Amino acid sequence: ILNVEQSPQSLHVQEGDSTNFTCSFPSSNFYALHWYRWETAKSPEALFVMTLNGDEKKKGRISATLNTKEGYSYLYIKGSQPEDSATYLCAFLMYSGGGADGLTFGKGTHLIIQP
Amino acid sequence: KAGVTQTPRYLIKTRGQQVTLSCSPISGHRSVSWYQQTPGQGLQFLFEYFSETQRNKGNFPGRFSGRQFSNSRSEMNVSTLELGDSALYLCASSTHRNSMNTEAFFGQGTRLTVV
Repeated sequence: ILNVEQSPQSLHVQEGDSTNFTCSFPSSNFYALHWYRWETAKSPEALFVMTLNGDEKKKGRISATLNTKEGYSYLYIKGSQPEDSATYLCAFLMYSGGGADGLTFGKGTHLIIQP
Repeated sequence: KAGVTQTPRYLIKTRGQQVTLSCSPISGHRSVSWYQQTPGQGLQFLFEYFSETQRNKGNFPGRFSGRQFSNSRSEMNVSTLELGDSALYLCASSTHRNSMNTEAFFGQGTRLTVV
């Protein structure tokens, strides 16, 4: 059973502050690491798909880094806004044989931005 | 273009019954994956279909099965329902089979309650 851990489980942040959280995953047989944002009553929405050690991705105020050798990824949100309130999920894709297995998700970081 | 469509959105079934859930992927997407989310658990991978063939399967009992049709629509079936099968079932579609650079697009899910 693959272990994908996210920390913290929940986070309260003041509007305007910056924040970050962590996803740790197995450092062997790495294929890809996905980040999703899941707002209440909506579908999970992809933020980033990261594949190379040292990858850094950015979308607006949100960015992510990847370290496959040590098995972790950070997600950063700069200048948090109320609309950033959501659960942020990371998902690990492991290489096996002729391809990759299904995504293994962490339990998520529940982010609440307080005005 | 239309997103991933799951039907029905809500379902109540009795223990011992069976249920079929449907997922219509984004047009042109050939891969459909299914996930289960129960309270306190992250999204857990059920199986993936690509070109009408099951490519990967998660750690679920044989009561959980699925299929994919030639138009890429997929169905998931759970037989002999148990109380513990109460969950949100999400399906996700993507263009290729577990491609490294391919994000998954999720539907809004089917909320199944077993009484």
